[in-house]
Amino acid sequence: DVKVTQSSRYLVKRTGEKVFLECVQDMDHENMFWYRQDPGLGLRLIYFSYDVKMKEKGDIPEGYSVSREKKERFSLILESASTNQTSMYLCASRKQGSGANVLTFGAGSRLTVL
Amino acid sequence: AQSVTQPDIHITVSEGASLELRCNYSYGATPYLFWYVQSPGQGLQLLLKYFSGDTLVQGIKGFEAEFKRSQSSFNLRKPSVHWSDAAEYFCAVVIPIYNQGGKLIFGQGTELSVKP
Repeated sequence: DVKVTQSSRYLVKRTGEKVFLECVQDMDHENMFWYRQDPGLGLRLIYFSYDVKMKEKGDIPEGYSVSREKKERFSLILESASTNQTSMYLCASRKQGSGANVLTFGAGSRLTVL
Repeated sequence: AQSVTQPDIHITVSEGASLELRCNYSYGATPYLFWYVQSPGQGLQLLLKYFSGDTLVQGIKGFEAEFKRSQSSFNLRKPSVHWSDAAEYFCAVVIPIYNQGGKLIFGQGTELSVKP
């Protein structure tokens, strides 16, 4: 069973803090993704990575950065958290190759920035 | 720009009634299309996908979807809804990127409520 694990289900941070959201997958998938989910907006792609040390901007990368030092781990970083980054963050992974390959999602990390 | 639209933000149906959730996409070539479901407090689970062949695809939990190229639609259907189907449903399309599998773009989601 493919597993995507997001280390924190709930976080509360203060404005200006640096925040790390961690995601680990155990199926040797090359591709990994970070989305944020907001009511009425669906899921929006923040960053994705095709392989180790590779990263690509998604549709809403502003205010975020990512790190992919190991194949199984993809970290989302908020350098200076702001209240408009309060959201649900979803990590996903996928085997490299066809666009028909399915994304497997983690359970999500709900971040509140005060 | 490529996009996915789910026109209905919230739908309520009675248990046992039929269901259709609408999805329209904007993309020039034949797309890869997906429906995901998110139950409260859970991650996203794949219901079904389409990428070629028969335009009527069957998924898990009794769901099916029909790809209609002429209408740029990929509507999700179920003949008889169960209370456990209450969840949020997301339609998605893959935007291909050469040799890299592409990125998945989601619609806004449709929240389904089921009345007893």
